[in-house]
Amino acid sequence: DAGVIQSPRHEVTEMGQEVTLRCKPISGHNSLFWYRQTMMRGLELLIYFNNNVPIDDSGMPEDRFSAKMPNASFSTLKIQPSEPRDSAVYFCASTAGGSPPYEQYFGPGTRLTVT
Amino acid sequence: AQTVTQSQPEMSVQEAETVTLSCTYDTSESDYYLFWYKQPPSRQMILVIRQEAYKQQNATENRFSVNFQKAAKSFSLKISDSQLGDAAMYFCAYRSSASGYALNFGKGTSLLVTP
Repeated sequence: DAGVIQSPRHEVTEMGQEVTLRCKPISGHNSLFWYRQTMMRGLELLIYFNNNVPIDDSGMPEDRFSAKMPNASFSTLKIQPSEPRDSAVYFCASTAGGSPPYEQYFGPGTRLTVT
Repeated sequence: AQTVTQSQPEMSVQEAETVTLSCTYDTSESDYYLFWYKQPPSRQMILVIRQEAYKQQNATENRFSVNFQKAAKSFSLKISDSQLGDAAMYFCAYRSSASGYALNFGKGTSLLVTP
């Protein structure tokens, strides 16, 4: 298995531009998570999906952020318009869910820089 | 909301020695799981070890073991026979079924291993 795939690995954009981050979870996993990592706030959950349905989006910073999961093998996180404070590493993770708590497998992350 | 606290921003250990990383958490739930993740400079998140709260026996994985004190809400990681490849950020994380399957992370401890 290729693991969780994220693209792009690095993204540099100018303030005000739209940014789309992509994630392909591990086949067969039914839960998908988006996390953001910054020096100030550490690792924090943005949103997670269970069976393609958003379950908890309370971590999404504001309306500029949106996430979708149109099918079991693809998810996007969109920022429009982007701002310098959005600069961070964005991780996607997936898990088989259920009980016992199966391991969350993380993608390599997307390093976003907004200038 | 559950909080996870890692009180040691940085730790240092000599190669072949033993080091213990601290983690405390706050929760009112009885059914939960605790994890230690390693993040090397490559930024890949790697699961080191996990502990189910209902298990009294401390988890071990080769050179890695935990000291789980449920009443004290403490979950420390012990690394024995430290190796240069152990140098990384280490994150303690909490997860419960009541609050969904998302991970709640501490701020991390940076571990330096000296020859």
